[in-house]
Amino acid sequence: AQSVAQPEDQVNVAEGNPLTVKCTYSVSGNPYLFWYVQYPNRGLQFLLKYITGDNLVKGSYGFEAEFNKSQTSFHLKKPSALVSDSALYFCAVRDVESGAGSYQLTFGKGTKLSVIP
Amino acid sequence: IAGITQAPTSQILAAGRRMTLRCTQDMRHNAMYWYRQDLGLGLRLIHYSNTAGTTGKGEVPDGYSVSRANTDDFPLTLASAVPSQTSVYFCASSFTGTGNTEAFFGQGTRLTVV
Repeated sequence: AQSVAQPEDQVNVAEGNPLTVKCTYSVSGNPYLFWYVQYPNRGLQFLLKYITGDNLVKGSYGFEAEFNKSQTSFHLKKPSALVSDSALYFCAVRDVESGAGSYQLTFGKGTKLSVIP
Repeated sequence: IAGITQAPTSQILAAGRRMTLRCTQDMRHNAMYWYRQDLGLGLRLIHYSNTAGTTGKGEVPDGYSVSRANTDDFPLTLASAVPSQTSVYFCASSFTGTGNTEAFFGQGTRLTVV
């Protein structure tokens, strides 16, 4: 079984400061990892993914995430937060060795990011 | 514009009534999914389909059914709605190969069962 934990329900950060949204995962094999953002009354938008290769992946809107296999983590980061980054962020995982089973993503419960002007 | 279309955007439904939520994608993705989003619980998978003609159960399938007659459409049916099915429902689709596996989501259907 695969699972994702986002330990913080809410993260507050001042505009211009760096931000981190934490994510840890559990899979039986190797993971595909994803971050999504959700603005109010909207669907989820894809931000970035880790498939293989470089542990630091860069995505949309200046976000990046670092894959750490030993800590089973995939934290989302941005060097300088904007007020417009305020939204709900979801981490998701898929086991690469899904095989003949489903290919669905398992999501964390989400972290609400508030960037304070 | 390519993407996923869900209908309706919102609905108030009397308990016991039957309801079908529609989902159509034009990205030729082989896999499609239905999730429900509830406060504090994140997104939970209801049903999925890896390819046209096949479906599977997710984490919370009870009270829901799906069909996948073709690549583009993946309707979700509530046979007899109950208040606990009040939620926001998201349809998603993706490829299932290596690499391009990110899922794309529709805008959601907000369903209230009274």
